[in-house]
Amino acid sequence: QKEVEQNSGPLSVPEGAIASLNCTYSDRGSQSFFWYRQYSGKSPELIMFIYSNGDKEDGRFTAQLNKASQYVSLLIRDSQPSDSATYLCAASSGGSYIPTFGRGTSLIVHP
Amino acid sequence: DVKVTQSSRYLVKRTGEKVFLECVQDMDHENMFWYRQDPGLGLRLIYFSYDVKMKEKGDIPEGYSVSREKKERFSLILESASTNQTSMYLCASSLKQWGYTFGSGTRLTVV
Repeated sequence: QKEVEQNSGPLSVPEGAIASLNCTYSDRGSQSFFWYRQYSGKSPELIMFIYSNGDKEDGRFTAQLNKASQYVSLLIRDSQPSDSATYLCAASSGGSYIPTFGRGTSLIVHP
Repeated sequence: DVKVTQSSRYLVKRTGEKVFLECVQDMDHENMFWYRQDPGLGLRLIYFSYDVKMKEKGDIPEGYSVSREKKERFSLILESASTNQTSMYLCASSLKQWGYTFGSGTRLTVV
């Protein structure tokens, strides 16, 4: 059974701080990793994907992948109240178009 | 801007009714998916399709069917709606393994 684990939170950080969201996965064959942001009552939106070990940066977001530890993280720098949402981590194996989703971490950024 | 459009944002149906949920994408994606999302249970895959006329069962297909007569359109059918099918239904599409684009979702209430 492929699993993606996330702490449900909520993770509460002050405005301007770095928010660190973490995710572990069980399938060593996983090759593609995704972070989705979901605002309350809305649908998920893809914000980052990463395939290689190391860091990938896009604006205030950095995705980090460590395949040896089966660990993916999302860092949000200079967190804003508008970043308050649930963040879903997903992992898919090579050749599979269907990722396994975690249940999400709720992030609250307070002014 | 790429788009996945779900025909209804909110629906209220009676127990036993046949319900059609429509999803259209304008990105020429081969892959289309139907999920339901419930609090505490995360995203659960109902059905998916990799090509026109093709369909595959996901994790929870019971009580549902799908139709894909055209590449851009993927319909979810609740054969006889029941109260335990009250949920948020999310359609998604993807090109190969490059992550999902979700529709805005349909919140279905069965009374």
